[in-house]
Amino acid sequence: DIQMTQSPSSLSASVGDRVTITCQASQDISKYLNWYQQKPGKAPKLLIYDASNLETGVPSRFSGSGSGTDFTFTISSLQPEDYGRYICQQCDILPCTFGGGTKVDIK
Amino acid sequence: EVQLLESGGGLAQPGGSLRLACVASRFTFSSYAMTWVRQAPGTGLEWVSTISGSGATYHAESVKGRFTISRDISKGTLYLQMDSLRAEDTAVYYCAKHTGDYYYYAMDAWGQGTTVTVSS
Repeated sequence: DIQMTQSPSSLSASVGDRVTITCQASQDISKYLNWYQQKPGKAPKLLIYDASNLETGVPSRFSGSGSGTDFTFTISSLQPEDYGRYICQQCDILPCTFGGGTKVDIK
Repeated sequence: EVQLLESGGGLAQPGGSLRLACVASRFTFSSYAMTWVRQAPGTGLEWVSTISGSGATYHAESVKGRFTISRDISKGTLYLQMDSLRAEDTAVYYCAKHTGDYYYYAMDAWGQGTTVTVSS
């Protein structure tokens, strides 16, 4: 199975800060990496697909980059509503696997 | 807007069965892959099963031979038949729609989740 390793596991940042999360795949997954946001008690929400494509309706402060095994997710200017857990996922090769998530708190 | 509404969760005994359902609306159900993802209490997301647009099915090793994903296109409903349940199957189960007809597409719509508890 492809292991997805996210870092950091948690972070606390202030409104307006730039936030960066990394995700490393245990083998090459080309560009097939997706990012989700999950708030407590809620279902995940797709933010970025295929490493760098912004899902319709998602604010442009969210972005993604990378290919192969190393990927980055960025919030350019953190907003109060951006708290939650951010999770990377690959489904290039079954079984689909998820990263452990990065919990983002607002200071 | 796409809607996915799960039902069928509840309490089951070890070795028992449950059938989850996910009613889909506002999109052409047969054109998209659909997946079940679960989340055990306090843990991360785990892929369970996928059915492609053409009807091919895929299951995680942890549920293979015990769980079966299926769909009724006429009813716009996705199912997960869960047999030989174990304590480790306890989780919130989400159904999700992919952006295309195969498992490698992202999941752009999710249901609210249904809770399965396996305990004696």
